[in-house]
Amino acid sequence: DAKTTQPNSMESNEEEPVHLPCNHSTISGTDYIHWYRQLPSQGPEYVIHGLTSNVNNRMASLAIAEDRKSSTLILHRATLRDAAVYYCILRGQASNYQLIWGAGTKLIIKP
Amino acid sequence: ETGVTQSPTHLIKTRGQQVTLRCSSQSGHNTVSWYQQALGQGPQFIFQYYREEENGRGNFPPRFSGLQFPNYSSELNVNALELDDSALYLCASSSLAGVADTQYFGPGTRLTVL
Repeated sequence: DAKTTQPNSMESNEEEPVHLPCNHSTISGTDYIHWYRQLPSQGPEYVIHGLTSNVNNRMASLAIAEDRKSSTLILHRATLRDAAVYYCILRGQASNYQLIWGAGTKLIIKP
Repeated sequence: ETGVTQSPTHLIKTRGQQVTLRCSSQSGHNTVSWYQQALGQGPQFIFQYYREEENGRGNFPPRFSGLQFPNYSSELNVNALELDDSALYLCASSSLAGVADTQYFGPGTRLTVL
C-alpha cells in the first residue's frame, strides 16, 4: 500500500492559518491525494482531494509539491470547530483504489 | 438530501455471538464501503459493495461478510465475535466506485464484545 507520513499532532491558534503537512515519497503517477477529517465522536468527513494541481474549496486548500512527494492541507482561518484528526490518504492502484488510512494528525486549536 | 445513517448506535455482544450492522446510503449513491476503527487508530477498510456486488476487500477474515440491497442499503455481518472485534464500525456511501470519488460517512456503530 502507498504510505503517507504525517505528524502525530499539531497546535494552532484560533483564527490563524494552519498548514498540515503530509509526505508520500512512494506516490505513483496515478495516485490521488485525499484528505479527510474526523471530529470527536463523529464519522470522518471529506475535506479535499487532488492529483497534480493545487486545489481549493470552501473548506480548505491543497498544495501539492511539484514532484508530488509531499502535500500540505491549508486551513485559511482555523476555528475551534476545526479541531479534529486529519488524514492524508493516497488512493490508486497500489491500494486497489480504496481509502487506506494511517493514524492522521490530531489538530488542536487554542482559543 | 438524507445523509448516511447507521443502526444501531451502540451494541454489546459476547464472544462467539453473531452481529448484523446496517447502513442506509445517501440518496443517489450506489456504492457502500465498510470500515473498522479501533480506539485511537485510523479506519481500516473491510470491503466495498458496488451495485450489489463486492468490489474490493481488505485484510479481514471471511467471518466478516456483507450484503448490499437493490435500494443500495447495506449490512455488515460478523460471525464468531472475538474480543478484538470491539470497535467503531463505519459505513460510507459514494456515487462512484472510483479513485476520485468522495465518500460520505455515517456516524458509526460502536460494538463492544465482552
